[in-house]
Amino acid sequence: DADVTQTPRNRITKTGKRIMLECSQTKGHDRMYWYRQDPGLGLRLIYYSFDVKDINKGEISDGYSVSRQAQAKFSLSLESAIPNQTALYFCATTEDSGTDTQYFGPGTRLTVL
Amino acid sequence: RKEVEQDPGPFNVPEGATVAFNCTYSNSASQSFFWYRQDCRKEPKLLMSVYSSGNEDGRFTAQLNRASQYISLLIRDSKLSDSATYLCVVLNTGFQKLVFGTGTRLLVSP
Repeated sequence: DADVTQTPRNRITKTGKRIMLECSQTKGHDRMYWYRQDPGLGLRLIYYSFDVKDINKGEISDGYSVSRQAQAKFSLSLESAIPNQTALYFCATTEDSGTDTQYFGPGTRLTVL
Repeated sequence: RKEVEQDPGPFNVPEGATVAFNCTYSNSASQSFFWYRQDCRKEPKLLMSVYSSGNEDGRFTAQLNRASQYISLLIRDSKLSDSATYLCVVLNTGFQKLVFGTGTRLLVSP
């Protein structure tokens, strides 16, 4: 079984709809991250969490919110989706140190029409 | 200026060739450096960390030049399976976050 899972894997939605992307990990890591990837822009950090009570904005948090329901679960919400949020979204985890390997989920391909 | 810059490529090379990628970073306080590999539409995976003294893992060699603020990745005896996008990654020490380059695409042909 995969250590980091994301649901859904693909989603098509309409402008203005609320959507939630979910991430679960079995690695026992405290640190979790949400990124989006766009062609030519690379991976950009949306939100990150160093433990259940710690949530931090990344470089592109506008239009997004997150919830850390448990050590193993970190959800990303788009309250009112817009077309420029069409992207590939990745969740990642790492151990305590920032120098440790980041383990990524398989990604969610989101299309907003 | 982007914090981490890479040539997007693609680099087209035949099997068996040696190919090198460079990456530059702007934050001189950066302490940790990595190369990740990403296959098409898949998640990034750590290829190797980059140490000041340079390090090698089989056909892959990574080097760091702090004075010039660049990182390199050398792939010897390229295989078809090396075809992928290689992401240069730098740790922003102050915020304990990774900063990703946009990636360099490698295509190895028979």
